[in-house]
Amino acid sequence: DAEITQSPRHKITETGRQVTLACHQTWNHNNMFWYRQDLGHGLRLIHYSYGVQDTNKGEVSDGYSVSRSNTEDLPLTLESAASSQTSVYFCASNSGGNQPQHFGDGTRLSIL
Amino acid sequence: GQQVMQIPQYQHVQEGEDFTTYCNSSTTLSNIQWYKQRPGGHPVFLIQLVKSGEVKKQKRLTFQFGEAKKNSSLHITATQTTDVGTYFCAGAVPNDYKLSFGAGTTVTVRA
Repeated sequence: DAEITQSPRHKITETGRQVTLACHQTWNHNNMFWYRQDLGHGLRLIHYSYGVQDTNKGEVSDGYSVSRSNTEDLPLTLESAASSQTSVYFCASNSGGNQPQHFGDGTRLSIL
Repeated sequence: GQQVMQIPQYQHVQEGEDFTTYCNSSTTLSNIQWYKQRPGGHPVFLIQLVKSGEVKKQKRLTFQFGEAKKNSSLHITATQTTDVGTYFCAGAVPNDYKLSFGAGTTVTVRA
């Protein structure tokens, strides 16, 4: 069965370090999204991609970057981790347009 | 930018009772989607509404999209313990495929 996987599931790191969260989907979806989830804020869009070599900023993109070199992967990089980036991160994908999004299991990131 | 507001943030329900969660957008939407997230889990798609005034049902869940396509509601009848979780609405504006999520309604059920 097709799926979307995130790794690692949990990570603890220190402020100032570079961190990369992986997202891999086997749906062959064009669209991929990264969200962060914080209490009281729901899901906020960080970055998104509509295809290979396409990346776009979401509403909370500062301090994050993504790259899309193939259809399956959209890694999320925190260039210099800050304590304010402690959160649960979800990756999602869909086949295009306003189709339903399929979410990964999330990565819980703690920055000390 | 587009904002989607969702109320209430928390809903404590006696098993067997009904409740409703509401979603309002500052702009007209092309469609609205509803997701459910169980505790410790990830959001899972429930339904999508596209047409003005549309009503859809899934067993005990009734979803509505307002006439002006700016608001939506989810009504659950005869709440069960399996309904526990956080329900999110998410809207997209015309010609844009990004979703703007509401803050969610977290539902707990008293047996």
